[in-house]
Amino acid sequence: GENVGLHLPTLSVQEGDNSIINCAYSNSASDYFIWYKQESGKGPQFIIDIRSNMDKRQGQRVTVLLNKTVKHLSLQIAATQPGDSAVYFCAESSSNDYKLSFGAGTTVTVRA
Amino acid sequence: ETGVTQTPRHLVMGMTNKKSLKCEQHLGHNAMYWYKQSAKKPLELMFVYNFKEQTENNSVPSRFSPECPNSSHLFLHLHTLQPEDSALYLCASSPKGNSYGYTFGSGTRLTVV
Repeated sequence: GENVGLHLPTLSVQEGDNSIINCAYSNSASDYFIWYKQESGKGPQFIIDIRSNMDKRQGQRVTVLLNKTVKHLSLQIAATQPGDSAVYFCAESSSNDYKLSFGAGTTVTVRA
Repeated sequence: ETGVTQTPRHLVMGMTNKKSLKCEQHLGHNAMYWYKQSAKKPLELMFVYNFKEQTENNSVPSRFSPECPNSSHLFLHLHTLQPEDSALYLCASSPKGNSYGYTFGSGTRLTVV
């Protein structure tokens, strides 16, 4: 199978600062990418997605960047808040496939 | 609530027990999935049902037996589990058999003793 990995298992960030979470993927056929947030005791929740025909997409306080040349995906969280503390996963897929391949996750801790 | 409900939320079972996990979705989705989430490991796809038909069994041991009576309900029957099967079992659904619109439940935390 293909690997989708996150560069760092943990990230500690000061409240109010911006967070950047990175992810590398290896499947050149992947054309759909998703970021999930998982809080303690809950399942993964959709944050934002991006298709391979785009290199940037913005949501509310979040931005996903896709660099297909180096197979790199990042999630930027602006003005990080305590409620952003969670595990963040990237996932990749092909648009006609139901399979999602997940990375191991980055645990984000927000310091007050 | 995400629209995907899993019960029970927590389950402790002995290695000789038989138990079942239940998943129900109220989103009108046609595909349902079981994933296993172990500590420090990526989510592992176990089973896929598309329009009630099993389309994927990802080399899962036979002590895990899925059942999908209709597009809204999915079960995972457990029998003679091992301690290493302790994990968070997540159910997900999507509108069609592709990766768009994936929605996860909150999971069942399973402990095998």
